[in-house]
Amino acid sequence: EDKVVQSPLSLVVHEGDTVTLNCSYEVTNFRSLLWYKQEKKAPTFLFMLTSSGIEKKSGRLSSILDKKELSSILNITATQTGDSAIYLCAVAPSGTYKYIFGTGTRLKVLA
Amino acid sequence: DVKVTQSSRYLVKRTGEKVFLECVQDMDHENMFWYRQDPGLGLRLIYFSYDVKMKEKGDIPEGYSVSREKKERFSLILESASTNQTSMYLCASSEEYQPQHFGDGTRLSIL
Repeated sequence: EDKVVQSPLSLVVHEGDTVTLNCSYEVTNFRSLLWYKQEKKAPTFLFMLTSSGIEKKSGRLSSILDKKELSSILNITATQTGDSAIYLCAVAPSGTYKYIFGTGTRLKVLA
Repeated sequence: DVKVTQSSRYLVKRTGEKVFLECVQDMDHENMFWYRQDPGLGLRLIYFSYDVKMKEKGDIPEGYSVSREKKERFSLILESASTNQTSMYLCASSEEYQPQHFGDGTRLSIL
């Protein structure tokens, strides 16, 4: 059965800290991996990683895909209180439009 | 910018009622999805649709049905609401194999 596991489940840090969130997966014929940020409402898209694009960066956020280890990390440097959110990882098997979501990591950044 | 609109942010219904959740997207996307989000369980796919009048079961379709009569609108129907269907419901749309765009969610309480 396809599955996605995220760790840790929750994390509390102070402003300025660097955090690393993990996502590991077991899917049949991997197509892509997505990261989302969810505050109070809709999850918003952060990054999409594929075999041809294993590293993405935007400002203080960056993500790497390790196809050998079947995992991805999301790094956030110099965290701010506005980074407090649930971070969701989703993986798509090839041949389908569906994504399989992990349970998410709840990040809280203290001032 | 893609907009996915869910008809209600909060909804309270009674056990046994037939409940309709509506979702509209404005980007002419082929694919639309319904998820429920519960603490500790992440996002679980209920149904998705890849074209008008086409639908496919997700991981937890029991107790739900869907309707897609027009490309922009995807409805989730709880045939006879039960208390274990109290949850946050998220609608999403996407173009082919692109990232999904989410609505703000409907928090449904069944009493």
